[in-house]
Amino acid sequence: EIVMTQSPATLSVSPGERATLSCRASQSVSSNLAWYQQKPGQAPRLLIYGASTRATGIPARFSGSGSGTEFTLTISSLQSEDFAVYYCQQYNNWPPEKTFGQGTKVEIK
Amino acid sequence: EVQLVESGGGLVQPGGSLKLSCAASGFTFSGSAMHWVRQASGKGLEWVGRIRSKANSYATAYAASVKGRFTISRDDSKNTAYLQMNSLKTEDTAVYYCTPTGDGYNSYYFDYWGQGTLVTVSS
Repeated sequence: EIVMTQSPATLSVSPGERATLSCRASQSVSSNLAWYQQKPGQAPRLLIYGASTRATGIPARFSGSGSGTEFTLTISSLQSEDFAVYYCQQYNNWPPEKTFGQGTKVEIK
Repeated sequence: EVQLVESGGGLVQPGGSLKLSCAASGFTFSGSAMHWVRQASGKGLEWVGRIRSKANSYATAYAASVKGRFTISRDDSKNTAYLQMNSLKTEDTAVYYCTPTGDGYNSYYFDYWGQGTLVTVSS
């Protein structure tokens, strides 16, 4: 099983500031990496797939980068609606397990 | 519009069984793989398992934590996927989501999610 490790666990950021979230895979996942945003009481929402492609309707302040084992999600200027938990996920075809990181909570500083 | 509606959750005793359903619409269900993902309260997301399409022999795969206890099935005539959960443990308490993906040679992410159904395992 591919293990995904996110850091930090919690990120305290002021509105308008930049947030940088990291995700590491225990083995290469190429660019088969997605980021999701989840708010309390809601299902996860796809933000980024293919490590760097924004999903439909996702604002340009969200960007993803990386390949292989090291990935980054950057939120360029945090808005009030961006305070949430963010998960990375690898979706390699094999092995079949689509593992998630443990999440990074972005909170208001 | 893609819609996914999970149902069947509830309170069950340890060692008991429960069967969840995921009714799907708005996409080609029969050609899609269907995945289940769960989330314990205040915890992260955990992939539970998936079932592939008929073209891929309805192949299933499961997380180690549920293998041998959970079974995923599907009824393409009803556009519905199922999660049969047996020998339930307290640690299976979670919201369970279903999510579809493509089912070809590519690798696929989860772009649609249901609202989830809550399973509580407690005596």
